Amino acid sequence: DAGVTQSPTHLIKTRGQHVTLRCSPISGHKSVSWYQQVLGQGPQFIFQYYEKEERGRGNFPDRFSARQFPNYSSELNVNALLLGDSALYLCASSLGPGQGIPYEQYFGPGTRLTVT
Amino acid sequence: QKEVEQNSGPLSVPEGAIASLNCTYSDRGSQSFFWYRQYSGKSPELIMFIYSNGDKEDGRFTAQLNKASQYVSLLIRDSQPSDSATYLCAVISNFGNEKLTFGTGTRLTIIP
Repeated sequence: DAGVTQSPTHLIKTRGQHVTLRCSPISGHKSVSWYQQVLGQGPQFIFQYYEKEERGRGNFPDRFSARQFPNYSSELNVNALLLGDSALYLCASSLGPGQGIPYEQYFGPGTRLTVT
Repeated sequence: QKEVEQNSGPLSVPEGAIASLNCTYSDRGSQSFFWYRQYSGKSPELIMFIYSNGDKEDGRFTAQLNKASQYVSLLIRDSQPSDSATYLCAVISNFGNEKLTFGTGTRLTIIP
């Protein structure tokens, strides 16, 4: 079975531009989470979506938004890009919140965003 | 105090020895604990998860959880050069969502 897929792999944008990143979860997974990882740090939680509803939001500005589609794929949008948005953007999928204990999450290969 | 703390390393271990990676967390209500391995330039790969106090073994890997001490560790037996990577400890504290809170990672180098 295919794992989590993300597109594009790499992206170079200019300050002030907008970017859309895409993620397809593992088949059968209904939950998608987005993380930002800057060099030398652990990933930071941005959003979680389950069954097309937002279930969690991290400490990121309103320039960041996301949505989940009926096929459980997801998009992350970032407006008015800043140099500090340069990072590896990771998508993770899971079966969902589970019955009391969250299921484990599996990461895609990531999108490397460079803002110049 | 950081929510999840790890020694950033680097930790150097001879090939064939046991590598011991440690992690502490601040939220006493945390219930789910994960270890990810991340090779340079790649995304994190899930290698172990543990929910209950005690040890959980999977091949050469053993995860240990002590909720009273708010401590989780990962042991890698018979370390191989291919184990050289950054190991990320992650915790889920809130069952309302699946937010993983990560430490900064420990860089492990296995010396042949």
